[in-house]
Amino acid sequence: DIQMTQSPSSLSASVGDRVTITCRASQGISNYLAWYQQKPGKVPKLLIYAASTLQSGVPSRFSGSGSGTDFTLTISSLQPEDVATYYCQKYNSAPFTFGPGTKVDIK
Amino acid sequence: QLQLQESGPGLVKPSETLSLTCTVSGGSISSSSYYWGWIRQPPGKGLEWIGSIYYSGSTYYNPSLKSRVTISVDTSKNQFSLKLSSVTAADTAVYYCARHPMQWLVPGYFDLWGRGTLVTVSS
Repeated sequence: DIQMTQSPSSLSASVGDRVTITCRASQGISNYLAWYQQKPGKVPKLLIYAASTLQSGVPSRFSGSGSGTDFTLTISSLQPEDVATYYCQKYNSAPFTFGPGTKVDIK
Repeated sequence: QLQLQESGPGLVKPSETLSLTCTVSGGSISSSSYYWGWIRQPPGKGLEWIGSIYYSGSTYYNPSLKSRVTISVDTSKNQFSLKLSSVTAADTAVYYCARHPMQWLVPGYFDLWGRGTLVTVSS
């Protein structure tokens, strides 16, 4: 099975900073990659699918890129409401594995 | 607005079977555009996909859980269900049901989630 890794596992940044999270697949998955945001105590929310397509209603400060094995989620200007854990997920084929998550908080 | 709602016992004894149901409201589970899935999250840990089902009954399961998992669908009730047998404390988690839009005839990402239900395995 394809394994998903994320880096860093956690980060602390200032409001307004540009934040980048990396997700890596152990084998190529084309662009079958989604990103989710899970705020503390809340349900995961889809941010991006097909590696770079923003889900409806998601602020434009979020963007995704990548293809094959290496993907990034970027928050162009970190806001206090972005404090959350971010997960990537592959869906090229089963199993639909999630990455271990990256916890983002405000410095 | 389509909504998903999990239901079932919040406490299950070790070695018994965990049973949960997800009720879909505001839309039809028989849509040809979607699979329906189960995901779980142990307290303080990450997300684990359990399995998914199409309205026709076609299923995908996580190999790590496949021997203990059964997912079924009842289109007349607009529900799908999860059964996880021989549970241990390691199966304690928040269990979510969610919708997968299909991507080239297979399940894709999860675009709509239920609120989740905590199931504790304890005697």
